Amino acid sequence: RKEVEQDPGPFNVPEGATVAFNCTYSNSASQSFFWYRQDCRKEPKLLMSVYSSGNEDGRFTAQLNRASQYISLLIRDSKLSDSATYLCVVNQGGGYQKVTFGTGTKLQVIP
Amino acid sequence: GAGVSQSPRYKVAKRGQDVALRCDPISGHVSLFWYQQALGQGPEFLTYFQNEAQLDKSGLPSDRFFAERPEGSVSTLKIQRTQQEDSAVYLCASSFYSGAGNTDTQYFGPGTRLTVL
Repeated sequence: RKEVEQDPGPFNVPEGATVAFNCTYSNSASQSFFWYRQDCRKEPKLLMSVYSSGNEDGRFTAQLNRASQYISLLIRDSKLSDSATYLCVVNQGGGYQKVTFGTGTKLQVIP
Repeated sequence: GAGVSQSPRYKVAKRGQDVALRCDPISGHVSLFWYQQALGQGPEFLTYFQNEAQLDKSGLPSDRFFAERPEGSVSTLKIQRTQQEDSAVYLCASSFYSGAGNTDTQYFGPGTRLTVL
């Protein structure tokens, strides 16, 4: 089993739709979780950290389920500019700086 | 302020040639990471520095890969005797190590796209 698994997609959704991505991780010691966004041929950029209680940033909501070892990202009212690959990122445990990236989920928002 | 910079942005090498990729992290960032990203995949960890100390090099695929950060700032990833399977984007990231038991946000450079013919 891969350390971090994501559905590669692509997810093709119309503008205004709500879309959700899940990510599962195998290391039960992992403590820090992130979603990064990567545009085509660009570098990854932090979208948001994922906190135990769940957190929201505008149209984006991230949730963590430790018992089932998955995190999710919900995007409401999709915009064309949301089209990108979304990378799930998990650390190795505790405050360890090394992280593992998932393969990414590609989102295409269609007019 | 300036972000992470990498050079060259593109490199074409003949098989067997040695290459050196440079990373300038954000000033004051203690942690520096190198990743390899193949097409359609997420970044794969290569190695990690805290200041000049290479704390983890478990992701380096072979002894042809070598990384250094001698003064705790600029880092160089060197690949000797390049092979076609080394073709990928090499990403560098840096983070400010808070030491507070958290995993800090990594800021990425634009990457170096290496093509080995």
